[in-house]
Amino acid sequence: KQEVTQIPAALSVPEGENLVLNCSFTDSAIYNLQWFRQDPGKGLTSLLLIQSSQREQTSGRLNASLDKSSGRSTLYIAASQPGDSATYLCALTQGGSEKLVFGKGTKLTVNP
Amino acid sequence: DAGVIQSPRHEVTEMGQEVTLRCKPISGHNSLFWYRQTMMRGLELLIYFNNNVPIDDSGMPEDRFSAKMPNASFSTLKIQPSEPRDSAVYFCASSLVGNYGYTFGSGTRLTVV
Repeated sequence: KQEVTQIPAALSVPEGENLVLNCSFTDSAIYNLQWFRQDPGKGLTSLLLIQSSQREQTSGRLNASLDKSSGRSTLYIAASQPGDSATYLCALTQGGSEKLVFGKGTKLTVNP
Repeated sequence: DAGVIQSPRHEVTEMGQEVTLRCKPISGHNSLFWYRQTMMRGLELLIYFNNNVPIDDSGMPEDRFSAKMPNASFSTLKIQPSEPRDSAVYFCASSLVGNYGYTFGSGTRLTVV
């Protein structure tokens, strides 16, 4: 059974710092991997989608990488801002199924 | 488009009562998902539909839970009878099959007392 782990559960950094969020998974036979952002009391917003044949995706200050052989993905946030404070969730699909398997997230706080 | 619309936003009910959660997906999306989020277990898929047909309901916890999608623009998740352990945030999401670009609703926070 696929398991997705995100460590640490919480992270606090000063504004302007570059940071990396980690996601690991136990079964490398994935179809794609996505990073989501969740603000308190809100739904999830998709940030980046990496297909299994890709190694990374970039959007603005965000860069996500995927290494299937090691079962890891990272989300790099450059020049963090207080507005980046949220919970970041990693999720993946397998075998063509559209079912997303989620990690429990990393709660990021960027302090002004 | 107004996005995925869920109602109600909050629901407080007594144990044993029937609860119905509602979802309107984005127009044109043909996949619809129900997820449940708790502190202990995180986000878990309950059931998803393609073209109004249930594809994977392996996450539905027990017979007390049922979901329907009578047409492309409406789905319900029903819990009968409700129990305190059902307290959670329930999210609905929709997407285009094969696109994997999911849009989530704002969720329904259910409290069963």
